[in-house]
Amino acid sequence: GQNIDQPTEMTATEGAIVQINCTYQTSGFNGLFWYQQHAGEAPTFLSYNVLDGLEEKGRFSSFLSRSKGYSYLLLKELQMKDSASYLCAVRGLVTAGNKLTFGGGTRVLVKP
Amino acid sequence: DTEVTQTPKHLVMGMTNKKSLKCEQHMGHRAMYWYKQKAKKPPELMFVYSYEKLSINESVPSRFSPECPNSSLLNLHLHALQPEDSALYLCASNPSPLTVSRPHSGNTIYFGEGSWLTVV
Repeated sequence: GQNIDQPTEMTATEGAIVQINCTYQTSGFNGLFWYQQHAGEAPTFLSYNVLDGLEEKGRFSSFLSRSKGYSYLLLKELQMKDSASYLCAVRGLVTAGNKLTFGGGTRVLVKP
Repeated sequence: DTEVTQTPKHLVMGMTNKKSLKCEQHMGHRAMYWYKQKAKKPPELMFVYSYEKLSINESVPSRFSPECPNSSLLNLHLHALQPEDSALYLCASNPSPLTVSRPHSGNTIYFGEGSWLTVV
């Protein structure tokens, strides 16, 4: 099975940096995803890591350490529109049906 | 084009009705998913189809019946639902179920905008 943990809520100031951590325990690993979800909307893709290291995409970066079962999403130069839930999701092996399992999500509140 | 299209966007149905949710993608993706999401909770997996065959059923009640008529379409047939089944139903797709270690985002999983279901 899969167990994915991330903080429930974080608050940060506009223009600042926030790091959302995600730890996972899984019987099989085939990639880790980060999604952003605004209230009342569907999740939108932010990043994908399957090898160790940092993936940078504009203001958002994601890091993965497979040996530690650990990832983080880094949001820089926070904007008010970044207030949303951020979902960490782990994909299982093909032999396990390609299952994508989500953590509980982290609600980020950006304050002026 | 990274679009997954779901219809209808909103559906209200009675407990004795039969309705269907539809999902369509033209990206050539061969894995498609149904998720259910309740308010302030993460999406919960219901079904996975790989190469048009059902590969995962997460012990979903039989009042939900998935169907994958071809590689572009995924349906969720609904019958005799309960009020607690009211939720956002999300469809997602993935390029290749057989990909193991592609580090680029071409191997991502895309979600549709969802169908809001209310059972009365």
